[in-house]
Amino acid sequence: EDQVTQSPEALRLQEGESSSLNCSYTVSGLRGLFWYRQDPGKGPEFLFTLYSAGEEKEKERLKATLTKKESFLHITAPKPEDSATYLCAVQGTGAGSYQLTFGKGTKLSVIP
Amino acid sequence: GAGVSQSPSNKVTEKGKDVELRCDPISGHTALYWYRQSLGQGLEFLIYFQGNSAPDKSGLPSDRFSAERTGGSVSTLTIQRTQQEDSAVYLCASSSGPNGGYTFGSGTRLTVV
Repeated sequence: EDQVTQSPEALRLQEGESSSLNCSYTVSGLRGLFWYRQDPGKGPEFLFTLYSAGEEKEKERLKATLTKKESFLHITAPKPEDSATYLCAVQGTGAGSYQLTFGKGTKLSVIP
Repeated sequence: GAGVSQSPSNKVTEKGKDVELRCDPISGHTALYWYRQSLGQGLEFLIYFQGNSAPDKSGLPSDRFSAERTGGSVSTLTIQRTQQEDSAVYLCASSSGPNGGYTFGSGTRLTVV
């Protein structure tokens, strides 16, 4: 059974204070690892897909990296508008491989 | 449409009543998914439709839950004899295939009183 664990559950940062969110996963075979952003009252918004260890993707102040056991979402010089819950999900290669298994998320608050 | 549309956005129902939740996916997206998000929990897979293939219903929590997709487009999730534990946000997503990132709708917040 695929599993995803995200840490920390919540993170408060001062504006400009860089940090990283962690996503640890177990999957029989990795088809893809996904990062989403979710604002209150909204559905998750797709950010990145990573497919293999060593891969990195960047978008504005966000950079996602992947190893064989975990992924990190690095946030550089965050701004208040980066405040949201960040969700990590994996898609395996086993039966039912089209569905994503999600972690519970990290709630990020960036204080001006 | 430009995005995934879900209706209603909020639904309050009495315990024991039936409810229908609607999802209108992005035009041309062949894959459609329903997930449930309960307070403090991760998103829970419910059901998957791909083109004209038989849906994967393996995530439906009980036989009170059912879903259909008409004409490869609009989908309806039906919950019969609602229970308080059914209270959650029901999210629909679509994609152009079984791989890749989904586009989610804003969800339907269901409250069973």
